[in-house]
Order: sequence, then C-alpha cells, then structure tokens
Amino acid sequence: KQEVTQIPAALSVPEGENLVLNCSFTDSAIYNLQWFRQDPGKGLTSLLLIQSSQREQTSGRLNASLDKSSGRSTLYIAASQPGDSATYLCAVPTSGTYKYIFGTGTRLKVLA
Amino acid sequence: DAGITQSPRHKVTETGTPVTLRCHQTENHRYMYWYRQDPGHGLRLIHYSYGVKDTDKGEVSDGYSVSRSKTEDFLLTLESATSSQTSVYFCAISGAHEQFFGPGTRLTVL
Repeated sequence: KQEVTQIPAALSVPEGENLVLNCSFTDSAIYNLQWFRQDPGKGLTSLLLIQSSQREQTSGRLNASLDKSSGRSTLYIAASQPGDSATYLCAVPTSGTYKYIFGTGTRLKVLA
Repeated sequence: DAGITQSPRHKVTETGTPVTLRCHQTENHRYMYWYRQDPGHGLRLIHYSYGVKDTDKGEVSDGYSVSRSKTEDFLLTLESATSSQTSVYFCAISGAHEQFFGPGTRLTVL
C-alpha cells in the first residue's frame, strides 16, 4: 500500500533563504509525482509535475527532483519570499492506477 | 486556471438528510476525482471516475456514492449525512497525469 510522508510538518524561515521540502513514498512503482501549494481556505494549485522518466522539473524559483529508487522527492525553493507562505503537498499514484495518495503537507511560513 | 467549478460552495445540513455536491468542468478531461480534507488526515480520495459511467472507490468511500452521466459533471452524494462527514470537499480533474483542483465545498452536518 502506497504511503506518503512529508517532513517537516511545519517550517519557519526568514525571507531570502533557500529551502528544501521533502516527500517520501513507499512504493517506487510510480509514473509521476506532483507538487501542490495550498493557501489557507483555498483549493490546491499545481506547482510541478514530474514524470517517472524525469529527474527534475523547474518553474521559476521552484525546482523539484525525483529519485524513484530511494522513494524520495524534494521541492527546492530559492530566495524565499513572504508570498511563498502556504502549505505544500505532494501526491503520487498508487501502483497501476490513477488513484492518488497525498502527503499531509509541510506548512511553510516565510518571515519578512 | 483549469475550468472547474463546485456547487454549492458552502452548505449546512442536518444529520440524516441526503446531500449532493456537484463538480463541473469545461476542460473535457477524462478523469475526475472527489477528495475530502480534514485536519490531521490531509487529503483523502473518496471516489474517482475514469470516463462517463465509469467510477471506482477510493480509500474513504463508505457513505458516499457518485455518478457521472456526462463528461463535464461528476456528482457526489451523501445518502444520509452524518456528523463525521463534516469536511471540505474538493473536486479534481486530470487529462492523464496532472491534476487540477476546484475551489472546494465546505459542508457542515449538524
């Protein structure tokens, strides 16, 4: 059974820091992994989708990597800003299906 | 943003009453999903659809049913609402891989 863990659960950093969020999964037979952002009281916004054949995806100050063999993905945020404050979630499909399992998220606060 | 709407956005109902939530998309995507989000549990899949009239259960499907009679609409029904179904419900769509989420429906069962 696929399980997804995100560590840390919460993170507070000063503005300008580079930071790394972690996502671990137990079943490495995935065909993609997706990172989302959720602001309080809002829906989820897709940030990056990494296909299983890729090792990295970049969008602006965000870079996500995927290591299937070790069951890990990282989301790197460069030069963090207060506007980056949100909860970040990762999601992976269960083996052989289009059903997705989500991590419980990392709540990020960037201090001005 | 992907064209996904959910209705109603907020609902308060009483225990034992039936409730239907609607998800509507304008993207013609094949896959549609219903999730619930609760503190301490994160986002959990209730049901999903992989085509018109084709649906499958997720990890928390008990007490819920779904229907999809056309590509653009995916309905979630609580046959007899219970207080444990108080939650925020999100609909998502996907063409093949990337999921896009609706704004959510906050449901309170008294």
